[in-house]
Amino acid sequence: RKEVEQDPGPFNVPEGATVAFNCTYSNSASQSFFWYRQDCRKEPKLLMSVYSSGNEDGRFTAQLNRASQYISLLIRDSKLSDSATYLCVVSGGGADGLTFGKGTHLIIQP
Amino acid sequence: SQTIHQWPATLVQPVGSPLSLECTVEGTSNPNLYWYRQAAGRGLQLLFYSVGIGQISSEVPQNLSASRPQDRQFILSSKKLLLSDSGFYLCAWSYGRGYTFGSGTRLTVV
Repeated sequence: RKEVEQDPGPFNVPEGATVAFNCTYSNSASQSFFWYRQDCRKEPKLLMSVYSSGNEDGRFTAQLNRASQYISLLIRDSKLSDSATYLCVVSGGGADGLTFGKGTHLIIQP
Repeated sequence: SQTIHQWPATLVQPVGSPLSLECTVEGTSNPNLYWYRQAAGRGLQLLFYSVGIGQISSEVPQNLSASRPQDRQFILSSKKLLLSDSGFYLCAWSYGRGYTFGSGTRLTVV
């Protein structure tokens, strides 16, 4: 069974701090990896794809460890607007959709 | 540019009533389309996906059905709603490595 596991949180973090999330996935044949952001009562939106070599987009850094089957997201200099639920998402690469973690709830406090 | 439309945004339906949710995409042809459900406190669950007109794959047995009468139209239906059908329903389409979600329909069965 395909599963993606995440710590649900909530993570309460002061503004300006650095915060990191991990998630693990069970399907070793997974091909594509993403972090999505979901605001309360809204649809998920793609935050960034995760590549084997690791990738950075501004304050956000994502890393993939295929051997240990985990994915990480690092947020530096956190902003109040970063408060959201962050979904770890895995795809087998085919047309049969994505497998979502239940999300990690992040609260940035002023 | 590609856009995805989903309606209605919210819906309150009595138990035993029928359901029809519609999703359309613009700006692309032959997209892979998906229906997901997010129940309260749970992760997104893939319900159906379609790789073309008339082609529907179901991920889990349930009280729902899906149809794809046109290339860019995907419909989620039920003949008789159950209380357990309440949730946040999201349509999505894939564009290779990423997925874009519609704004969702929040269904409450009473």
